[in-house]
Amino acid sequence: DGGITQSPKYLFRKEGQNVTLSCEQNLNHDAMYWYRQDPGQGLRLIYYSQIVNDFQKGDIAEGYSVSREKKESFPLTVTSAQKNPTAFYLCASSILGVHGYTFGSGTRLTVV
Amino acid sequence: AQTVTQSQPEMSVQEAETVTLSCTYDTSESDYYLFWYKQPPSRQMILVIRQEAYKQQNATENRFSVNFQKAAKSFSLKISDSQLGDAAMYFCAYRSAVGGATNKLIFGTGTLLAVQP
Repeated sequence: DGGITQSPKYLFRKEGQNVTLSCEQNLNHDAMYWYRQDPGQGLRLIYYSQIVNDFQKGDIAEGYSVSREKKESFPLTVTSAQKNPTAFYLCASSILGVHGYTFGSGTRLTVV
Repeated sequence: AQTVTQSQPEMSVQEAETVTLSCTYDTSESDYYLFWYKQPPSRQMILVIRQEAYKQQNATENRFSVNFQKAAKSFSLKISDSQLGDAAMYFCAYRSAVGGATNKLIFGTGTLLAVQP
């Protein structure tokens, strides 16, 4: 079945460490997105990519980095520069020019 | 920049009753799409309904329908015959359809819907 897979489901990070969240899709979608979800703030866009080897900053890109070396994969690295990384992270994909997103099941990141 | 506002942080409805969730948006564009997404406790985002701005007819999907008022920039979601499984966070979202625009979805802050048995 086609879909988006995010891993891990839960992730714990020590302060000062970088961590990478995985997002893989087999939908042949061109565009991929990372959102951060905090209580009371809805979903905020971190980074997005519309084609391989190209990506754009969203509204809250500071402290995050991404790569898009393959169409199927769009990993997100949360760096030590991100001051408050504890949140729920959602990855999504879409066909360019068409409608809504397909979402992954999310990763809950906690700083310990 | 476009914004989406959901002014009801929480709502409650009795099972089998009807509830309406509000959403307003701000844009200078004439061509766009609007969406309602549902996020149950599993946190999986599920597309509920979609509306194209150029269509005057309100979208419907089974028990879910919208009231799209383009001039007022209002996009409310009506859930009829509410069921316990409708309990979730509901997000309103906007996407530009202007040529050359990205596919970015802009979300509201959500409305948490409780369904009382």
